[in-house]
Amino acid sequence: GDSVTQMEGPVTLSEEAFLTINCTYTATGYPSLFWYVQYPGEGLQLLLKATKADDKGSNKGFEATYRKETTSFHLEKGSVQVSDSAVYFCALISGGGADGLTFGKGTHLIIQP
Amino acid sequence: DVKVTQSSRYLVKRTGEKVFLECVQDMDHENMFWYRQDPGLGLRLIYFSYDVKMKEKGDIPEGYSVSREKKERFSLILESASTNQTSMYLCASSLGAGGNRNEQFFGPGTRLTVL
Repeated sequence: GDSVTQMEGPVTLSEEAFLTINCTYTATGYPSLFWYVQYPGEGLQLLLKATKADDKGSNKGFEATYRKETTSFHLEKGSVQVSDSAVYFCALISGGGADGLTFGKGTHLIIQP
Repeated sequence: DVKVTQSSRYLVKRTGEKVFLECVQDMDHENMFWYRQDPGLGLRLIYFSYDVKMKEKGDIPEGYSVSREKKERFSLILESASTNQTSMYLCASSLGAGGNRNEQFFGPGTRLTVL
């Protein structure tokens, strides 16, 4: 079956540091890939997505590129802020998308001033 | 904006009680989903529905059932709550299948405690 593996945290960085959160996947066919973010006490919000190989998703300074050859979708940001502190989930959906998302276990990111 | 609402943010129930968690979406989405979120396990799919009165089991359906009598509403039912069902429950919806239609929008979650 499908699976998503992401680095588990917590990951602690100083403000303005460079961020990478690794995500690799196993799936049949050509999945769509997503990064969701969950701020404290809230539900999940879509951060960015990519639907085919070599697509780059971007939003709020975050980027991730769909790499089919390495089955990866690593999340990056050049300069993090305290407000980026949250839990980040990598996820995929395969086939037509009528099924649910397959999630990684989440990475807790803590940004210190 | 798509809005997905859940009936309660926090719920405390006793072992053996029947529990209903309600979810409503206001954007005429075809698909609706129920997940549970546990520390160290991420989110796991319980049930989903791609049409009124249709339902499909997800990865962990045991101990749960669902109901979708109207397109906008998807209910999760714990027939006899147990302590191992203490968790955060998240509802989501999506427009449909394929391309941009499969983007899922999440509600704020219901934190259920079973004593």
